[in-house]
Amino acid sequence: GAVVSQHPSRVICKSGTSVKIECRSLDFQATTMFWYRQFPKQSLMLMATSNEGSKATYEQGVEKDKFLINHASLTLSTLTVTSAHPEDSSFYICSAARGEGKGTSNQPQHFGDGTRLSIL
Amino acid sequence: KQEVTQIPAALSVPEGENLVLNCSFTDSAIYNLQWFRQDPGKGLTSLLLIQSSQREQTSGRLNASLDKSSGRSTLYIAASQPGDSATYLCAVRGSSNTGKLIFGQGTTLQVKP
Repeated sequence: GAVVSQHPSRVICKSGTSVKIECRSLDFQATTMFWYRQFPKQSLMLMATSNEGSKATYEQGVEKDKFLINHASLTLSTLTVTSAHPEDSSFYICSAARGEGKGTSNQPQHFGDGTRLSIL
Repeated sequence: KQEVTQIPAALSVPEGENLVLNCSFTDSAIYNLQWFRQDPGKGLTSLLLIQSSQREQTSGRLNASLDKSSGRSTLYIAASQPGDSATYLCAVRGSSNTGKLIFGQGTTLQVKP
């Protein structure tokens, strides 16, 4: 089955630090990956769509200079939270699907295990 | 704007009971609908995917139905077990097929031994 790996699983750091989170599709290529944020006891909110070889597409209200996305290859997307502050503390999850970005994809989305970010 | 609602928000049942989780969406123009399971502090595990042309999908003790015209989906869990305790999320993918998923708030299920 399709596997999406996310690293690290947990980060605790001081305010002002920049944090990079990696999302890898281990056994398939994903032209497009997605980054979500989840607050405690709430559902997932899409932050941005990561496109291989081009700029990410951000959802309304998400600061692109704050949340830098780089889709360096067909199997890797990274999310960098720049100069993180306590309000950035959250659970960040990425997803990908086989064939995504290559036209119509009827494949299920597969999610990483998430990254718990805690900013002190 | 698509909105997804899940009812109930929380559910507690004794082991062995059959149960139904509900998901409704406001815009029937969807590409597909996916049910996920999320354990505390973990990512999402895909359970079932129903394409817009399908009416139901089954996997083991799980059965998901889709009534696109009325904007509803149900997840039926047969013979529930304590290991089924988790939060269940439904998500719809719009007909524009951009890949974006719109999630419901989830139903937190507790199955008591």
